[in-house]
Amino acid sequence: AQRVTQPEKLLSVFKGAPVELKCNYSYSGSPELFWYVQYSRQRLQLLLRHISRESIKGFTADLNKGETSFHLKKPFAQEEDSAMYYCALLTGNQFYFGTGTSLTVIP
Amino acid sequence: KAGVTQTPRYLIKTRGQQVTLSCSPISGHRSVSWYQQTPGQGLQFLFEYFSETQRNKGNFPGRFSGRQFSNSRSEMNVSTLELGDSALYLCASSLAGDRVQYFGAGTRLSVL
Repeated sequence: AQRVTQPEKLLSVFKGAPVELKCNYSYSGSPELFWYVQYSRQRLQLLLRHISRESIKGFTADLNKGETSFHLKKPFAQEEDSAMYYCALLTGNQFYFGTGTSLTVIP
Repeated sequence: KAGVTQTPRYLIKTRGQQVTLSCSPISGHRSVSWYQQTPGQGLQFLFEYFSETQRNKGNFPGRFSGRQFSNSRSEMNVSTLELGDSALYLCASSLAGDRVQYFGAGTRLSVL
């Protein structure tokens, strides 16, 4: 069963526009959620995790248990935000990753 | 501190062969996880090792196996390779008690 769904494979926004990358999960327990990012020719790396409740590079993500969502948002997209973004759910000791959203920020 | 190191970076094999991939975690990290990354499927979990014991296993056939050594280095083995095994294989390590995974650059396996 698909545990993490990222409905958009590709997303393009103009520089300065708001951006939202969607992530929905299915898990009956208490979820632990993450966003990982992969910039061009770089390794996959942690962007943020919901328990930290912090903003990284201007990005925030709020866990909505009612809607089982963990959408990633940024009010003003920058060109350097162009990357592949993966939402991940941790259950026990196993991570479930979504299929990823490729974000392109158009100058 | 050195990051997660995966060797080799690239591999070309033919169908039916077997392959072994290696992963050296960040010093002090005892958990090592393996993932298969393909364009259509994204990252799919293979297995996770902690202190030389497999703690979790994903939904892959028995041709995929792994092990972890006392120094936390891990190897992954794929036997009887199939064309569909062509993928980027990623290794990630984490500290005991921490949930953040640190990824290696991956091994690109091509099966011809």
